[in-house]
Amino acid sequence: DVKVTQSSRYLVKRTGEKVFLECVQDMDHENMFWYRQDPGLGLRLIYFSYDVKMKEKGDIPEGYSVSREKKERFSLILESASTNQTSMYLCASRPGGAPPKNIQYFGAGTRLSVL
Amino acid sequence: QQQVKQSPQSLIVQKGGISIINCAYENTAFDYFPWYQQFPGKGPALLIAIRPDVSEKKEGRFTISFNKSAKQFSLHIMDSQPGDSATYFCAASIEGGYQKVTFGIGTKLQVIP
Repeated sequence: DVKVTQSSRYLVKRTGEKVFLECVQDMDHENMFWYRQDPGLGLRLIYFSYDVKMKEKGDIPEGYSVSREKKERFSLILESASTNQTSMYLCASRPGGAPPKNIQYFGAGTRLSVL
Repeated sequence: QQQVKQSPQSLIVQKGGISIINCAYENTAFDYFPWYQQFPGKGPALLIAIRPDVSEKKEGRFTISFNKSAKQFSLHIMDSQPGDSATYFCAASIEGGYQKVTFGIGTKLQVIP
């Protein structure tokens, strides 16, 4: 089974703190993604990476950065956390190739509260 | 701009009934339409998917209907069960390039006994 592991289920941080969300996948997938999930807004893509050290902005990259130094690990960084970044963050990975092989596998999510 | 519009946002269905969730898209370049199911405390997981060259795909009690000319697709859950209670997301992507997936806002389905 594909496993996408997010390091924390719940995080509480203060405004202005630098926050790291970590994600690890064990299936040697090329592609990794960070989404945030908010009620009424669905899943919105923050950043994605299609290879080590490569990254692309998603739909809502402002206030975030990412790092992918190893193929299995993709980190989301909030440089200076703000209250409007309180959300559920979901990491996903996906192999290369066309459907039906390119299924996205999601982690269980990290619920971040910024106070 | 919401590229994939999903409705309703919430749905209550009696056990044994049919659950129907509708989605519409704007970008005619989309060529792959997956549905994801998310249980509380879990990440979304692929449920069923369709490509626009077919009008219907069925897997067990789950059926996707696709109308290319109307740019609409829908998920039907037949004989809905309490265990189907979850949030459902429709999505769309373009097969080439980065295959970025655009999700709908989600539908919270509750199946009551």
